[in-house]
Amino acid sequence: AQSVSQHNHHVILSEAASLELGCNYSYGGTVNLFWYVQYPGQHLQLLLKYFSGDPLVKGIKGFEAEFIKSKFSFNLRKPSVQWSDTAEYFCAVKGTSYDKVIFGPGTSLSVIP
Amino acid sequence: DAGVIQSPRHEVTEMGQEVTLRCKPISGHNSLFWYRQTMMRGLELLIYFNNNVPIDDSGMPEDRFSAKMPNASFSTLKIQPSEPRDSAVYFCASSSPSDNNNEQFFGPGTRLTVL
Repeated sequence: AQSVSQHNHHVILSEAASLELGCNYSYGGTVNLFWYVQYPGQHLQLLLKYFSGDPLVKGIKGFEAEFIKSKFSFNLRKPSVQWSDTAEYFCAVKGTSYDKVIFGPGTSLSVIP
Repeated sequence: DAGVIQSPRHEVTEMGQEVTLRCKPISGHNSLFWYRQTMMRGLELLIYFNNNVPIDDSGMPEDRFSAKMPNASFSTLKIQPSEPRDSAVYFCASSSPSDNNNEQFFGPGTRLTVL
Protein backbone atom coordinates (compact mmCIF):
# COMPACT_ATOMS: atom_id res chain seq x y z
CA ALA A 1 0.00 0.00 0.00
CA GLN A 2 1.11 3.54 -0.67
CA SER A 3 2.21 5.62 2.28
CA VAL A 4 3.88 8.95 2.89
CA SER A 5 5.97 9.95 5.88
CA GLN A 6 7.21 13.37 6.81
CA HIS A 7 10.26 13.65 9.00
CA ASN A 8 9.23 16.48 11.27
CA HIS A 9 5.94 17.18 12.97
CA HIS A 10 6.78 20.76 13.90
CA VAL A 11 9.64 23.00 12.77
CA ILE A 12 10.47 26.40 14.23
CA LEU A 13 12.82 28.73 12.34
CA SER A 14 13.88 32.34 12.46
CA GLU A 15 13.33 34.55 9.45
CA ALA A 16 16.03 34.20 6.77
CA ALA A 17 16.93 30.69 7.93
CA SER A 18 17.05 27.92 5.35
CA LEU A 19 14.33 25.30 5.29
CA GLU A 20 14.31 21.65 4.39
CA LEU A 21 11.28 19.46 5.08
CA GLY A 22 11.72 15.76 4.58
CA CYS A 23 9.28 13.50 2.76
CA ASN A 24 9.54 9.81 1.96
CA TYR A 25 7.01 7.62 0.24
CA SER A 26 6.49 3.96 -0.39
CA TYR A 27 5.17 2.89 -3.76
CA GLY A 28 6.59 0.46 -6.28
CA GLY A 29 5.62 2.15 -9.50
CA THR A 30 5.82 5.50 -11.23
CA VAL A 31 4.56 8.35 -9.10
CA ASN A 32 3.46 11.94 -9.20
CA LEU A 33 4.60 13.93 -6.18
CA PHE A 34 3.16 17.06 -4.64
CA TRP A 35 3.72 19.55 -1.89
CA TYR A 36 0.66 21.39 -0.63
CA VAL A 37 0.61 24.30 1.80
CA GLN A 38 -2.17 25.23 4.21
CA TYR A 39 -1.95 28.73 5.67
CA PRO A 40 -3.68 29.27 9.02
CA GLY A 41 -7.44 29.04 8.62
CA GLN A 42 -7.26 28.36 4.91
CA HIS A 43 -7.59 25.39 2.57
CA LEU A 44 -4.78 23.42 0.97
CA GLN A 45 -3.08 24.95 -2.03
CA LEU A 46 -0.58 23.39 -4.40
CA LEU A 47 2.98 24.57 -3.84
CA LEU A 48 4.72 22.46 -6.47
CA LYS A 49 4.53 19.11 -8.20
CA TYR A 50 6.72 16.59 -9.95
CA PHE A 51 5.54 14.27 -12.67
CA SER A 52 8.55 13.67 -14.95
CA GLY A 53 11.75 15.21 -16.28
CA ASP A 54 14.06 17.34 -14.19
CA PRO A 55 13.97 15.97 -10.64
CA LEU A 56 14.52 19.47 -9.25
CA VAL A 57 11.18 21.19 -9.28
CA LYS A 58 10.64 24.87 -8.64
CA GLY A 59 7.38 26.08 -7.19
CA ILE A 60 5.80 29.29 -6.06
CA LYS A 61 7.20 31.67 -3.45
CA GLY A 62 10.79 30.47 -3.84
CA PHE A 63 10.14 26.88 -2.85
CA GLU A 64 11.76 23.94 -4.61
CA ALA A 65 11.81 20.19 -4.15
CA GLU A 66 14.09 17.44 -5.32
CA PHE A 67 12.90 14.00 -6.31
CA ILE A 68 15.47 11.33 -5.51
CA LYS A 69 14.05 8.12 -6.90
CA SER A 70 16.63 5.85 -5.28
CA LYS A 71 15.72 7.22 -1.86
CA PHE A 72 11.97 7.48 -2.48
CA SER A 73 12.25 11.04 -1.27
CA PHE A 74 10.84 14.41 -2.27
CA ASN A 75 12.23 16.98 0.16
CA LEU A 76 11.02 20.56 0.14
CA ARG A 77 13.52 23.41 0.41
CA LYS A 78 13.62 27.17 0.62
CA PRO A 79 16.89 29.09 1.06
CA SER A 80 15.45 31.88 3.18
CA VAL A 81 12.08 31.66 4.94
CA GLN A 82 9.78 34.55 5.77
CA TRP A 83 7.26 35.00 8.54
CA SER A 84 4.52 34.61 5.92
CA ASP A 85 5.71 31.02 5.28
CA THR A 86 4.23 30.00 8.61
CA ALA A 87 1.84 27.21 7.61
CA GLU A 88 1.25 23.48 7.51
CA TYR A 89 3.04 21.65 4.70
CA PHE A 90 1.79 18.37 3.26
CA CYS A 91 3.69 16.01 1.02
CA ALA A 92 1.53 13.82 -1.21
CA VAL A 93 2.03 10.99 -3.67
CA LYS A 94 -0.10 9.49 -6.40
CA GLY A 95 0.62 6.40 -8.41
CA THR A 96 0.23 7.21 -12.08
CA SER A 97 -2.17 4.32 -12.61
CA TYR A 98 -4.36 5.24 -9.68
CA ASP A 99 -6.61 8.18 -8.88
CA LYS A 100 -6.13 8.39 -5.16
CA VAL A 101 -3.62 10.85 -3.70
CA ILE A 102 -2.04 9.86 -0.41
CA PHE A 103 -1.17 12.73 1.91
CA GLY A 104 1.52 12.72 4.55
CA PRO A 105 0.70 13.74 8.14
CA GLY A 106 1.91 17.27 7.59
CA THR A 107 4.70 19.42 9.05
CA SER A 108 3.81 22.56 10.89
CA LEU A 109 6.28 25.38 10.18
CA SER A 110 6.49 28.39 12.48
CA VAL A 111 8.73 31.25 11.37
CA ILE A 112 9.72 33.69 14.08
CA PRO A 113 10.26 37.30 12.99
CA ASP B 1 -13.52 30.16 -12.21
CA ALA B 2 -15.01 30.19 -8.71
CA GLY B 3 -13.05 27.17 -7.59
CA VAL B 4 -14.46 24.39 -5.47
CA ILE B 5 -17.46 25.63 -3.51
CA GLN B 6 -18.48 24.17 -0.18
CA SER B 7 -21.41 24.94 2.05
CA PRO B 8 -21.96 25.66 4.77
CA ARG B 9 -18.62 27.11 5.86
CA HIS B 10 -19.45 26.53 9.51
CA GLU B 11 -21.93 24.17 11.08
CA VAL B 12 -22.71 23.78 14.74
CA THR B 13 -25.14 21.05 15.67
CA GLU B 14 -26.14 18.87 18.57
CA MET B 15 -25.29 15.23 18.96
CA GLY B 16 -27.79 13.00 17.21
CA GLN B 17 -28.72 15.49 14.54
CA GLU B 18 -28.29 14.89 10.84
CA VAL B 19 -25.62 16.96 9.10
CA THR B 20 -25.33 17.46 5.35
CA LEU B 21 -22.25 19.01 3.79
CA ARG B 22 -22.32 20.15 0.19
CA CYS B 23 -19.73 20.50 -2.52
CA LYS B 24 -19.69 21.87 -6.04
CA PRO B 25 -16.53 20.85 -7.90
CA ILE B 26 -14.81 22.93 -10.53
CA SER B 27 -16.68 22.69 -13.83
CA GLY B 28 -15.17 20.02 -16.06
CA HIS B 29 -13.46 18.15 -13.24
CA ASN B 30 -14.47 14.51 -13.13
CA SER B 31 -12.90 13.39 -9.85
CA LEU B 32 -14.18 14.53 -6.48
CA PHE B 33 -12.70 13.81 -3.08
CA TRP B 34 -13.99 14.24 0.48
CA TYR B 35 -11.39 14.67 3.23
CA ARG B 36 -11.62 15.13 6.98
CA GLN B 37 -8.98 17.07 8.90
CA THR B 38 -8.47 16.92 12.66
CA MET B 39 -5.57 17.73 14.92
CA MET B 40 -5.32 14.16 16.08
CA ARG B 41 -5.58 12.32 12.77
CA GLY B 42 -4.44 14.88 10.21
CA LEU B 43 -5.91 14.81 6.71
CA GLU B 44 -7.90 11.67 5.96
CA LEU B 45 -9.45 10.72 2.64
CA LEU B 46 -13.02 9.59 3.28
CA ILE B 47 -14.25 8.78 -0.22
CA TYR B 48 -13.68 9.73 -3.80
CA PHE B 49 -15.77 9.68 -6.96
CA ASN B 50 -14.76 9.36 -10.57
CA ASN B 51 -17.39 10.37 -13.14
CA ASN B 52 -19.99 10.48 -10.33
CA VAL B 53 -19.28 6.87 -9.30
CA PRO B 54 -17.84 6.11 -5.84
CA ILE B 55 -14.48 4.44 -6.42
CA ASP B 56 -13.02 4.06 -2.95
CA ASP B 57 -15.00 4.56 0.25
CA SER B 58 -12.64 2.67 2.51
CA GLY B 59 -11.94 5.84 4.46
CA MET B 60 -15.54 6.35 5.51
CA PRO B 61 -15.37 5.80 9.26
CA GLU B 62 -18.77 4.29 9.95
CA ASP B 63 -22.17 3.59 8.50
CA ARG B 64 -23.27 6.92 9.93
CA PHE B 65 -21.35 8.52 7.06
CA SER B 66 -22.67 8.46 3.52
CA ALA B 67 -21.78 10.35 0.36
CA LYS B 68 -23.55 10.85 -2.92
CA MET B 69 -22.78 12.47 -6.23
CA PRO B 70 -26.03 12.65 -8.17
CA ASN B 71 -24.45 14.63 -11.01
CA ALA B 72 -21.14 16.05 -12.14
CA SER B 73 -21.64 19.37 -10.39
CA PHE B 74 -22.81 18.38 -6.94
CA SER B 75 -21.90 16.07 -4.08
CA THR B 76 -23.07 15.65 -0.49
CA LEU B 77 -21.54 14.13 2.59
CA LYS B 78 -24.08 13.18 5.20
CA ILE B 79 -23.58 12.21 8.83
CA GLN B 80 -26.58 10.67 10.57
CA PRO B 81 -26.63 10.66 13.54
CA SER B 82 -23.76 13.02 14.28
CA GLU B 83 -21.47 12.59 17.30
CA PRO B 84 -19.03 14.97 19.03
CA ARG B 85 -16.06 13.01 17.66
CA ASP B 86 -17.18 13.94 14.15
CA SER B 87 -16.14 17.53 14.85
CA ALA B 88 -13.54 18.42 12.21
CA VAL B 89 -12.95 20.42 9.08
CA TYR B 90 -14.30 18.63 6.03
CA PHE B 91 -12.68 19.46 2.72
CA CYS B 92 -13.90 18.70 -0.76
CA ALA B 93 -11.43 18.62 -3.65
CA SER B 94 -11.72 18.02 -7.37
CA SER B 95 -9.34 17.22 -10.19
CA SER B 96 -9.47 17.34 -13.96
CA PRO B 97 -9.18 14.45 -16.42
CA SER B 98 -7.08 16.65 -18.69
CA ASP B 99 -4.48 17.18 -15.97
CA ASN B 100 -2.20 14.16 -16.24
CA ASN B 101 -0.67 15.11 -12.94
CA ASN B 102 -4.04 15.12 -11.22
CA GLU B 103 -3.50 18.21 -9.10
CA GLN B 104 -6.33 18.44 -6.61
CA PHE B 105 -8.05 21.76 -6.05
CA PHE B 106 -9.43 22.13 -2.56
CA GLY B 107 -12.50 23.96 -1.38
CA PRO B 108 -12.49 26.27 1.66
CA GLY B 109 -13.78 23.52 3.93
CA THR B 110 -16.70 23.16 6.29
CA ARG B 111 -15.88 23.45 9.96
CA LEU B 112 -18.25 21.10 11.79
CA THR B 113 -18.79 21.26 15.53
CA VAL B 114 -20.99 18.65 17.14
CA LEU B 115 -21.93 19.50 20.71
